[in-house]
Amino acid sequence: NAGVTQTPKFQVLKTGQSMTLQCAQDMNHNSMYWYRQDPGMGLRLIYYSASEGTTDKGEVPNGYNVSRLNKREFSLRLESAAPSQTSVYFCASNLRQANYGYTFGSGTRLTVV
Amino acid sequence: AQSVTQLDSHVSVSEGTPVLLRCNYSSSYSPSLFWYVQHPNKGLQLLLKYTSAATLVKGINGFEAEFKKSETSFHLTKPSAHMSDAAEYFCVVIAPGIKNAGNMLTFGGGTRLMVKP
Repeated sequence: NAGVTQTPKFQVLKTGQSMTLQCAQDMNHNSMYWYRQDPGMGLRLIYYSASEGTTDKGEVPNGYNVSRLNKREFSLRLESAAPSQTSVYFCASNLRQANYGYTFGSGTRLTVV
Repeated sequence: AQSVTQLDSHVSVSEGTPVLLRCNYSSSYSPSLFWYVQHPNKGLQLLLKYTSAATLVKGINGFEAEFKKSETSFHLTKPSAHMSDAAEYFCVVIAPGIKNAGNMLTFGGGTRLMVKP
């Protein structure tokens, strides 16, 4: 029972490089989310996908793109990484329109130099 | 609109003493509120949730929280701290989503709990 799996766990990029963060869930959840965590700011929503085939911007979408590949997988892409994108990224999922707790992945620690 | 304020960025207690982590919220709607815990280099784990049922909510590991609408607070407490409680704690309010998109979370800034032996 894996829950939400994120890869990679750690990554160092040079400014201007691109990369994709992968996320997969095995709980048959409809909704998936990408957050970034920065000190003193809690988690902020980057993008979300309410259901397969839909994606929408969250609070801090600039510099990111997402793809909901299928019901299980939701990827986050940085096309041209910037130092301001140094952060810890969390993927999460839940049943749509439900007040259950969200399930979070263990995070990806990204450093852009 | 909704927001969450965790009143202390750091709290330090001695092992065996009570824990109080404070959280105030604002919400245009009847809120659902959560507390999550994050241990170092780990993901977030749900401690407890309030969803308009009983105002005193019991969670895992001996934690509980009381929803006080008049004070717009949802403080987290534990009678006796353990060393394993040292972690970062997040108070979270759930907001109705837009475009029928499901619910979305608004996080407080976090409180780092330190437990001294």
